[in-house]
Amino acid sequence: DIVMTQGALPNPVPSGESASITCQSSKSLLHSNGKTYLNWYLQRPGQSPQLLIYWMSTRASGVSDRFSGSGSGTDFTLKISSVEAEDVGVYYCQQFLEYPFTFGSGTKLEIK
Amino acid sequence: QVKLLQSGAALVKPGASVKMSCKASGYTFTDYWVSWVKQSHGKSLEWIGEIYPNSGATNFNEKFKGKATLTVDKSTSTAYMELSRLTSEDSAIYYCTRLGAPYWGQGVMVTVSS
Repeated sequence: DIVMTQGALPNPVPSGESASITCQSSKSLLHSNGKTYLNWYLQRPGQSPQLLIYWMSTRASGVSDRFSGSGSGTDFTLKISSVEAEDVGVYYCQQFLEYPFTFGSGTKLEIK
Repeated sequence: QVKLLQSGAALVKPGASVKMSCKASGYTFTDYWVSWVKQSHGKSLEWIGEIYPNSGATNFNEKFKGKATLTVDKSTSTAYMELSRLTSEDSAIYYCTRLGAPYWGQGVMVTVSS
């Protein structure tokens, strides 16, 4: 199985500051078709996860442009340009290149 | 708009089975895979498997083969997951979702207890 490893944040992050969440995969997620098979989700407290980014860098519909995704085949970053109170929660990366689809362990964001 | 509406919480005894539902609306149910995801208390997300409603084709995480059974009812646009031989390790929230799209059910909390 592809293992997804997420980094931690130096919580709490001051409101208005930027935050970068890292994710590393045990195998390249770059397909021969040029697409990278990585999604990012946010799970707010008490809610279902919501999709933020798909194909590594494409924002989902309705997602603030403060969120951006980038990376290579195995190293990925979700950047929040100016954190707000509504960004609090746990962020997950997920690969869908191979079965079984796998998620990272999650990165918690707290705001000061 | 697209919605995935899941059935309510379940309290089940060890060794029993539970079947939960996920009713889709707002899109053509048969055109998209539906995945099921497990979230144990305070923990990360685990992909259980997926089903393609048009054909009934499934793909599973090996870990959940023999534990989870996925079916659909195309007439009601509803996906089902049945979990068998329940133990305390199966106590969790279970979500249905169209992975890679912004559509998740609200989750079903399953508690296994005598």
